[in-house]
Amino acid sequence: AQKVTQAQTEISVVEKEDVTLDCVYETRDTTYYLFWYKQPPSGELVFLIRRNSFDEQNEISGRYSWNFQKSTSSFNFTITASQVVDSAVYFCALSLGGGGNKLTFGTGTQLKVEL
Amino acid sequence: DTEVTQTPKHLVMGMTNKKSLKCEQHMGHRAMYWYKQKAKKPPELMFVYSYEKLSINESVPSRFSPECPNSSLLNLHLHALQPEDSALYLCASSQGTGGANTEAFFGQGTRLTVV
Repeated sequence: AQKVTQAQTEISVVEKEDVTLDCVYETRDTTYYLFWYKQPPSGELVFLIRRNSFDEQNEISGRYSWNFQKSTSSFNFTITASQVVDSAVYFCALSLGGGGNKLTFGTGTQLKVEL
Repeated sequence: DTEVTQTPKHLVMGMTNKKSLKCEQHMGHRAMYWYKQKAKKPPELMFVYSYEKLSINESVPSRFSPECPNSSLLNLHLHALQPEDSALYLCASSQGTGGANTEAFFGQGTRLTVV
């Protein structure tokens, strides 16, 4: 069975600080997909990124960057120059290559960015 | 703005009531999902519909009854719920259910309170 671990329950930073959210996953499948979602207080889960198991390229999108390392089964998420609007719960998730698209979520990291 | 619309946003119902949650998407997605999320927990998959057919039921009690009238609509019929069923119910959709088309887009959810 697959598992996603987000060891950081809550992180508090001051605006403009950089912050990294950790994600470690477990699966025996060779084909899988990793995701990050943002959940602001409004409740909607906002899709941020999908990464395929066969593509270890890191990705940058504006202030967001993702570091995927199969050797350590990690898919970490860094926010550069954090802003108050980044305050939310962030979920890392995994789905397998087969049908069904069942997302296995981590427990989430609550990020609080203060002025 | 989310392209997955859920109604109502809030619902309070008694244990003997019958109510329905509605979800609509116009992205041409062929897979739709219901997730349940308790406070401070990750979402848990309930049902998956693929091409309007139920493909996954995660052992959900029969007091929850899903329905997919067409490829754009997904309902969740509720009957004889218990207070512990109070949660945020999230609808999601994706292009498909396997392979590369696995990113799910979520609605804002329905906050359900059972009294």
